[in-house]
This record gives sequence, structure tokens and C-alpha cells, in this order.
Amino acid sequence: DTAVSQTPKYLVTQMGNDKSIKCEQNLGHDTMYWYKQDSKKFLKIMFSYNNKELIINETVPNRFSPKSPDKAHLNLHINSLELGDSAVYFCASSQDSTGAYGYTFGSGTRLTVV
Amino acid sequence: SQQGEEDPQALSIQEGENATMNCSYKTSINNLQWYRQNSGRGLVHLILIRSNEREKHSGRLRVTLDTSKKSSSLLITASRAADTASYFCATDNRGSTLGRLYFGRGTQLTVWP
Repeated sequence: DTAVSQTPKYLVTQMGNDKSIKCEQNLGHDTMYWYKQDSKKFLKIMFSYNNKELIINETVPNRFSPKSPDKAHLNLHINSLELGDSAVYFCASSQDSTGAYGYTFGSGTRLTVV
Repeated sequence: SQQGEEDPQALSIQEGENATMNCSYKTSINNLQWYRQNSGRGLVHLILIRSNEREKHSGRLRVTLDTSKKSSSLLITASRAADTASYFCATDNRGSTLGRLYFGRGTQLTVWP
């Protein structure tokens, strides 16, 4: 009955590789997000989609590309991985695009680039 | 910087004591939210307080908001070892893109049995 599930939970990969992280929510929420949490626990938004439409595209490298096939799914593809991409990536969803009722977060994907 | 800042960065107390964490921010807000993150887990939404509200309660949690001082506090009463976690405030800033939250770096709370 996981509300926001993301896979994989852990991802260890070499520099230069391409990888994807998948996220699904079963809450019927309209809006989904990707956040990055660095080693100091600082959380910063990367992208948000509302009903499959991109509404927030923060200043992130072009190597990061989100894809939302439907409003229940938001995947993150990363090309040419770099050491600095190592972080925990969180998917989240909210009832609507205002986020006025709070977010529901997934449990995170810990990405380690070696 | 548009994100909130929590204070203290770390707090260590005994079970049964109260824990108070503070959050300061710099811009006008629509609402402020508190989240808990257990080690290695995602964030859990605890409570949301709107800019026209001054205090909210949820179980052992009490949140206050002072928009004139641009600050909020989270009080956990009668703390338990299971309350050990990082606590984050997040602001929904007025004029910002809808849905965007700005998170602080969190307060690490440790409750000793």
C-alpha cells in the first residue's frame, strides 16, 4: 500500500554511465516532484509535473531529464553520470499544483557514482 | 536565499522532556510546513500552518507561526525515543512558482531512553 514508491532504493554506478530512477504514486495526486538531498541534508527541488505537464524546471544540468508518461508516474533519467551527482533523490507528490496540503515523499534513491 | 533555517542544528534530550525547534525564513509565505525524516527514509509531512494562522496542534505536536518575526516553532511534548529524527521546516513562498517548497537543513533530534 505504498503511497509513493521509487526504485531502485540504492544505485551504485560508474562515472559516465546513464541511469534511470522510477517513481509511482497511487494517491491520485495531480502533481509530482523530484528533489535532491545532498550530504548535508539540504533538499532542493529539481522538477515538478502537474498532470504530465512540466511546471518547475530548476537549474539542473541537461543531463537530467524527467519523463511523466501519466500523472501517476514520474521518472528521472540521468546521462553521463558525474561524481557530484551522488546524493539521495526523492520523489514526492501533492494533491494539486499548489502543494497547499503538503507533500507525500517516497523513501528515496541513494545514488553513488564511483 | 529563500529557504528556511532551523535552529538548533542538533538537539539531544531525555525521554519525557519537551523538544522545541525553531525555523526562521526571509520572505512572505503562503504557508509553512514541518516534516520529519527518520534515518535513511523519506520525509513525512507532520503539520501545515497557513500564514493567517498562529498556532496549530496535532497530537503531541504544537506549531506556532509569527509572520511579523518570520519565524515558526515546533514543540514536541513528552518526547519518546521514536521521535529521534531530523525535522525540517519548508516554506511555500508568496510569489514563488506554485507547489515549490523551500526546505531548511533540518534539526537533528535525538531522544535518549
